[in-house]
Amino acid sequence: EDQVTQSPEALRLQEGESSSLNCSYTVSGLRGLFWYRQDPGKGPEFLFTLYSAGEEKEKERLKATLTKKESFLHITAPKPEDSATYLCAVQERSSASKIIFGSGTRLSIRP
Amino acid sequence: DAMVIQNPRYQVTQFGKPVTLSCSQTLNHNVMYWYQQKSSQAPKLLFHYYDKDFNNEADTPDNFQSRRPNTSFCFLDIRSPGLGDAAMYLCATSRVGGSSYEQYFGPGTRLTVT
Repeated sequence: EDQVTQSPEALRLQEGESSSLNCSYTVSGLRGLFWYRQDPGKGPEFLFTLYSAGEEKEKERLKATLTKKESFLHITAPKPEDSATYLCAVQERSSASKIIFGSGTRLSIRP
Repeated sequence: DAMVIQNPRYQVTQFGKPVTLSCSQTLNHNVMYWYQQKSSQAPKLLFHYYDKDFNNEADTPDNFQSRRPNTSFCFLDIRSPGLGDAAMYLCATSRVGGSSYEQYFGPGTRLTVT
């Protein structure tokens, strides 16, 4: 059965303290892995798509990486405005439309 | 800007009183999705339309129905809302057959059942 597991469930950092969020997945064949940011009371905001092991994408203080079993979202020198829930989702190669979400990591950055 | 729009943003309905949530998109995407999201949980897929083809998830209650009258619009009908249906309802779209398959979400409709 396809699964997506994110860790930790919650992470509190001091402003400027870099860290990483983990997304481990089990699918029979990966079409793509997606990272989203979700602020309270809002819809998820698309951040990155990763397609193959070794691929990396960057956006401001965020960098996403992918291996055959997991993805990391590295956050460098975070600011309070980076506080949000970060969702990981995967799409199996045999599925043209459906994606499977992890339960997210709630990130809180203290000033 | 191309976007996914949901109306209303907040909806209050009474127990058992039918309610309809709407979603429109200007992205010209061929797939539209409805998700239910409860507090601190991942979005749960209810169903999706791939063009005109309706795809229902096995565990979506019969109480939930959907319509897609054209490419741009999709509706979620809850025939007899129960207290357990109070949640955020998210609409999303994607373009299947293009170079990437990510989904783009609307702002959500927060449903309260009294």
